[in-house]
Amino acid sequence: RKEVEQDPGPFNVPEGATVAFNCTYSNSASQSFFWYRQDCRKEPKLLMSVYSSGNEDGRFTAQLNRASQYISLLIRDSKLSDSATYLCVVDYGGYQKVTFGTGTKLQVIP
Amino acid sequence: DAGVTQSPTHLIKTRGQQVTLRCSPKSGHDTVSWYQQALGQGPQFIFQYYEEEERQRGNFPDRFSGHQFPNYSSELNVNALLLGDSALYLCASSYRAYEQYFGPGTRLTVT
Repeated sequence: RKEVEQDPGPFNVPEGATVAFNCTYSNSASQSFFWYRQDCRKEPKLLMSVYSSGNEDGRFTAQLNRASQYISLLIRDSKLSDSATYLCVVDYGGYQKVTFGTGTKLQVIP
Repeated sequence: DAGVTQSPTHLIKTRGQQVTLRCSPKSGHDTVSWYQQALGQGPQFIFQYYEEEERQRGNFPDRFSGHQFPNYSSELNVNALLLGDSALYLCASSYRAYEQYFGPGTRLTVT
């Protein structure tokens, strides 16, 4: 089993739709969680950290379920500019021994 | 405020050669991590440097080595290059264990 697994995608959604991605992790000792966004042939950019209580940033909502060992990202009112690959990142603690998922590709279509 | 910078942008090497990639962290950051990203895959953690020491290491052979300088900049060295080393090499910096910010990467092609 992979340490971090994501929905394979691609997700093709119309503008204005709501889309959700899930990410599961295998190490219950994981301490920190993040979502990154990566555009084609560009570097990953931090989208948001994921807190135990869940957090929201505009149209984006991230949630953590430690009991089931998954995190989720919800995007509301999708924009064309949201088209990218979304990477789930899990930090196993101690100076960031981080593991990236393989990413989920989102394509928002007009 | 300059973000994370990497050099060179692109590089072409031959099997068996050695390569050095460079990274300057974002201002105020003291920790540098290196990642390898193959096409269609997520970044794979190579190692991390803090206070000029390697603090964490992923599942990469000893051919991959690094260094961090007193000004927090870092180098990644790869010896005896293999075709499979062709990838995008990303550097990420952070302050201690907080969020990482990535540089634009160096695209290495081994022929």
